[in-house]
Amino acid sequence: QQQVKQSPQSLIVQKGGISIINCAYENTAFDYFPWYQQFPGKGPALLIAIRPDVSEKKEGRFTISFNKSAKQFSLHIMDSQPGDSATYFCAARGYNNNDMRFGAGTRLTVKP
Amino acid sequence: DAGVTQSPTHLIKTRGQQVTLRCSPKSGHDTVSWYQQALGQGPQFIFQYYEEEERQRGNFPDRFSGHQFPNYSSELNVNALLLGDSALYLCASSLWTGRSPLHFGNGTRLTVT
Repeated sequence: QQQVKQSPQSLIVQKGGISIINCAYENTAFDYFPWYQQFPGKGPALLIAIRPDVSEKKEGRFTISFNKSAKQFSLHIMDSQPGDSATYFCAARGYNNNDMRFGAGTRLTVKP
Repeated sequence: DAGVTQSPTHLIKTRGQQVTLRCSPKSGHDTVSWYQQALGQGPQFIFQYYEEEERQRGNFPDRFSGHQFPNYSSELNVNALLLGDSALYLCASSLWTGRSPLHFGNGTRLTVT
């Protein structure tokens, strides 16, 4: 069922560094690409989202880069902090389709 | 402003039993979706309810069923539980119109023994 491939599975970054997580999708009907952050014992929380009519979206330290022709998108976390340590999921959904497809997740650890 | 609330938080059941999970959507939301999240995996879409009807369904067997009530709250029922049904069950609410983002609850951890 999974149509969104996410990498890496885990990532260790030093405090202040840049964390980069990548996703690739197959279905060209997808038109909404969110990123979710999940802490242990909690549900996923929406971090940032992009639609394919723009190539980049920035909110604070978080940036999504989107490459429509390559069917890839990525999350960049600038100045990574220990509080950013969590599991991050990319996702995708098509227009008029409520079935949100999630990647398998990336476990980010930011070392102080 | 209350977010999405789910109950119970944890549940242990035996193979073959039936279970009911409950969800209250975020205030103002009218649509509820259910997801199954296996350990170490991303959430997988089970189904979505709007106006008390199942609107879309993922690749899950008929053992999984649901209901939405007039106050927009929802239940997920799973019959004839299998060991493989052990997972975190997440409820997400949204608005039907405007393609609003999903707001997730903290889930119900179901363990089938």
